[in-house]
Amino acid sequence: SQQGEEDPQALSIQEGENATMNCSYKTSINNLQWYRQNSGRGLVHLILIRSNEREKHSGRLRVTLDTSKKSSSLLITASRAADTASYFCATDAYSGAGSYQLTFGKGTKLSVIP
Amino acid sequence: DAMVIQNPRYQVTQFGKPVTLSCSQTLNHNVMYWYQQKSSQAPKLLFHYYDKDFNNEADTPDNFQSRRPNTSFCFLDIRSPGLGDAAMYLCATSRDWGAGLDNEQFFGPGTRLTVL
Repeated sequence: SQQGEEDPQALSIQEGENATMNCSYKTSINNLQWYRQNSGRGLVHLILIRSNEREKHSGRLRVTLDTSKKSSSLLITASRAADTASYFCATDAYSGAGSYQLTFGKGTKLSVIP
Repeated sequence: DAMVIQNPRYQVTQFGKPVTLSCSQTLNHNVMYWYQQKSSQAPKLLFHYYDKDFNNEADTPDNFQSRRPNTSFCFLDIRSPGLGDAAMYLCATSRDWGAGLDNEQFFGPGTRLTVL
């Protein structure tokens, strides 16, 4: 399975601290994406990193990708209460028979305490 | 603003009673997806359309069907809902689909289905 696995499953931090979430996957990918989901809502795309990229920044977000270890990390700096949400990594990869699929991990539930 | 809209946001149906969920998009994207997400689980792809080409995931139950009458609309039909089909159903779109492309997906707010 291509499914990414996030670590930790849950993370609780104080406002202002940094939050780091990790994702591991199993096979070659086209790109890796991170999404956020607020409780009971749809997913929001945060950032995409291609397989030939090693690091990417967007505002307070920093994503790294290590294809040799098949792992990625998402760092949220100076966290805010509004960052409280579940964060999913998703791998975009060929899934056979001419088909491509974005496969999501189970997510990390982040709680930022004011 | 361009967006993905899902109706209704909450749907209650009875065991075995057919139900249809709808999705529309103003992004003019080629690809539309339906995902099923159960509590504290990853979204699971049910099927997707590339334009009018329908692609069913191998493990999607036959109980689930989909229609895309035009670029903007896509429907999810559950022919005989069981208790195990209670979940959040997420519709998403992407501009394109395939290797070498940055296929970020844009999601609707979801429809939460309850089966009594």
